[in-house]
Amino acid sequence: KNEVEQSPQNLTAQEGEFITINCSYSVGISALHWLQQHPGGGIVSLFMLSSGKKKHGRLIATINIQEKHSSLHITASHPRDSAVYICAVFPSKYDSGGGADGLTFGKGTHLIIQP
Amino acid sequence: GAVVSQHPSRVICKSGTSVKIECRSLDFQATTMFWYRQFPKQSLMLMATSNEGSKATYEQGVEKDKFLINHASLTLSTLTVTSAHPEDSSFYICSAREDHYTEAFFGQGTRLTVV
Repeated sequence: KNEVEQSPQNLTAQEGEFITINCSYSVGISALHWLQQHPGGGIVSLFMLSSGKKKHGRLIATINIQEKHSSLHITASHPRDSAVYICAVFPSKYDSGGGADGLTFGKGTHLIIQP
Repeated sequence: GAVVSQHPSRVICKSGTSVKIECRSLDFQATTMFWYRQFPKQSLMLMATSNEGSKATYEQGVEKDKFLINHASLTLSTLTVTSAHPEDSSFYICSAREDHYTEAFFGQGTRLTVV
């Protein structure tokens, strides 16, 4: 069974701080998503990674396939970054057991950036 | 980036009635669409995977006769909640991708309340 563990579950920080959210998973994957979910529920895909590192504005995502671990970093955090950040993985075809191959989600990290 | 449009965003219905939720990929052909459900304060859970032109694959514990999924074209999938019950009240969200190796994009979600 594919498990996706995120840490921390909750994080409150001051504006300007460097934020790191971690994600570990237990099976081989074809890709990993970092998602942002706002209070209304809508989801935005921030990154899709299968190796290495990606950067978009103040957001950086890294993945280590061998260690089955990914991190999401936010530099110069701002109150508008407050949201739930969710790690989600697509299992690889070999590890999906031939079954449905949708995303498996972590429980999310509730981030609050205080002014 | 690619856009997935989900409609309606909110719906209230009476117990025993059916509700249809649409998910459209606006600028790409979605070979695969996924339907997820999120109960309050819980992580998103995959309900079913649908591939265009074939029957949906449901996750364990999801009743296929209750949650009817149709993926009749490469740009449209529908989820129909039949004989809705108050415990079906949840946030339903779809995602779509062009193929196994491309990014999945998310609809805005539908908040269903069954009274």
